[in-house]
Amino acid sequence: DAKTTQPTSMDCAEGRAANLPCNHSTISGNEYVYWYRQIHSQGPQYIIHGLKNNETNEMASLIITEDRKSSTLILPHATLRDTAVYYCIVRKSGGSNYKLTFGKGTLLTVNP
Amino acid sequence: DTEVTQTPKHLVMGMTNKKSLKCEQHMGHRAMYWYKQKAKKPPELMFVYSYEKLSINESVPSRFSPECPNSSLLNLHLHALQPEDSALYLCASSQELTLVGTGGSYTFGSGTRLTVV
Repeated sequence: DAKTTQPTSMDCAEGRAANLPCNHSTISGNEYVYWYRQIHSQGPQYIIHGLKNNETNEMASLIITEDRKSSTLILPHATLRDTAVYYCIVRKSGGSNYKLTFGKGTLLTVNP
Repeated sequence: DTEVTQTPKHLVMGMTNKKSLKCEQHMGHRAMYWYKQKAKKPPELMFVYSYEKLSINESVPSRFSPECPNSSLLNLHLHALQPEDSALYLCASSQELTLVGTGGSYTFGSGTRLTVV
């Protein structure tokens, strides 16, 4: 699976959009981009995933660049409860893709 | 029901004790997972079950023994643990082991925080 690179930490003001970047420059054509988050002392929570197109759900939007080498998770109106570690994960379809492997993630702190 | 339930939430055990962690889901998911998470580190995969059969053991020491009695239940039996095994143990499930994309997301429980004394 392709490796991902994320900033260690980011800050965001409450009510503003939080834009979390992820670099996956070695991604291949059949690999999906997944985002999970983990609020302190809880289990990880699935947010969104995408392959090529931008995606939006009730939690967030995922913007994937045309070359697929990077993506951005957007929380449109961050709240204090969005403070968490956000993990960007690349997973392959087909073959031995059973692993959901977590990297170090980005600690997003939403400030009042 | 869209949850993965883990019990107990907290567990303190001695190095000579035998204890078990329990995980339950009623979403009809056929793949279940155990992860271990040390403080300030990302979760690390331990075991993968698919259709109640062990598919993957990530070279986990034998003092950890997984069991999948049925499609809804996953246990982790603990025996002769060391203090360094103290961690948050997370259970997760997904529809199918090899499903990626829509339906390929994992649902995690809140974990069992284990302290070995």
